Amino acid sequence: QSALTQPPSASGSPGQSVTISCTGTSSDVGGHNYVSWYQQHPGKAPKLMISEVNKRPSGVPDRFSGSKSGNTASLTVSGLQAEDEADYYCSSYAGSENYIVFGGGTKLTVL
Amino acid sequence: QLQMVQSGAEVKKPGASVKVSCKASGYIFTHYGLSWVRQAPGKGLEWMGWISPYNGKTDYTQKLQGRITVTADRSTNTAYMELRSLASDDTAVYYCARDRYSTGNDPRYFDLWGRGTLVTVSS
Repeated sequence: QSALTQPPSASGSPGQSVTISCTGTSSDVGGHNYVSWYQQHPGKAPKLMISEVNKRPSGVPDRFSGSKSGNTASLTVSGLQAEDEADYYCSSYAGSENYIVFGGGTKLTVL
Repeated sequence: QLQMVQSGAEVKKPGASVKVSCKASGYIFTHYGLSWVRQAPGKGLEWMGWISPYNGKTDYTQKLQGRITVTADRSTNTAYMELRSLASDDTAVYYCARDRYSTGNDPRYFDLWGRGTLVTVSS
């Protein structure tokens, strides 16, 4: 059982928007602004999509955005494209005992 | 070239140890931390541990305390992860990842990943 809770699946049609949630506790998501999101295509290494809740690294399309409210963080993908189909993982700093925790991952399907 | 190059796949028997290497290039090794993350077949990501190549400080997940050692060789820009007393549920792809956290109040995220090393534990 993962420390952070994500829905196992999400889907949307090309051009639509989809939001993936990531729920933790006040010890991780709610207590720190160190939430990040990673995209992983089958057989590939994860790729950083969002850092520090809502910062987009260079090269990541602005269709990807992040936010946080209380103990829940969210990743929104706007204008869905076929290449966005992948697994998405959230991660958070969880303090000096648990350090880094991940969500169980969400499989995003572009219909 | 900015990259993390990991060592090749390993097959180990239960009870054995494995040591995976990760050579960093294209950036100043001591300016970033380095974390190890593993992924069992068909499962999610699991953070294992971290090292600061700057001062050698390490942190490990409580789950693996006592079985894992992460080291870094600043002369070769290479980090190592050793896992001992292997069991079948240690079968996974092991990733090294550049960690933005090195010291102090640095943020925590992984912005550069190796391609992964498959470690299979089987009798």
